[in-house]
Amino acid sequence: KAGVTQTPRYLIKTRGQQVTLSCSPISGHRSVSWYQQTPGQGLQFLFEYFSETQRNKGNFPGRFSGRQFSNSRSEMNVSTLELGDSALYLCASSFITGYNEQFFGPGTRLTVL
Amino acid sequence: AQRVTQPEKLLSVFKGAPVELKCNYSYSGSPELFWYVQYSRQRLQLLLRHISRESIKGFTADLNKGETSFHLKKPFAQEEDSAMYYCALWGMGGSQGNLIFGKGTKLSVKP
Repeated sequence: KAGVTQTPRYLIKTRGQQVTLSCSPISGHRSVSWYQQTPGQGLQFLFEYFSETQRNKGNFPGRFSGRQFSNSRSEMNVSTLELGDSALYLCASSFITGYNEQFFGPGTRLTVL
Repeated sequence: AQRVTQPEKLLSVFKGAPVELKCNYSYSGSPELFWYVQYSRQRLQLLLRHISRESIKGFTADLNKGETSFHLKKPFAQEEDSAMYYCALWGMGGSQGNLIFGKGTKLSVKP
């Protein structure tokens, strides 16, 4: 079974721009969660989508948003990028919402200049 | 507050020595705890979960509710155990749960 895939793997943007990251979950998994990983804050939960609906949200500003499509693929969008948004963004999929065995993708490394 | 603390950023041991990676948590209720591992250039992956009470790659972890700890142990470390280890708690936020991670401990096993 193919694992979680994320595209692109690397991204460089400048302040004020917006960015969209994509995540394809493991086949049959319907829940997708997003995490931000930084050296200072570690891994922090952003949000979770299940059946095209946001089911849970972490403590991040509204500039961070996401969506999920009918095939369970998910996108995450960050608008008005700030330097502090530079991070590794990880996507994780699980079979259903609220199920705690999560499988992680390789991440997208975002650098904001 | 729901929180996971890993007090050691770096732990260095020699091959064959015992290793213990510490994890303390703060959670009201019955916690569900996990250890995730990230080897160099690989993705984050689940190592073990306390519910299953299993041993993976020689690692075990016991939940101690009195001390609110979930330390990861291995009696004889191997060089291939060198990796970043994250303790995580399944916390309840809103109507659903999510993983709350500690900041990780880098384990270095020297030959």
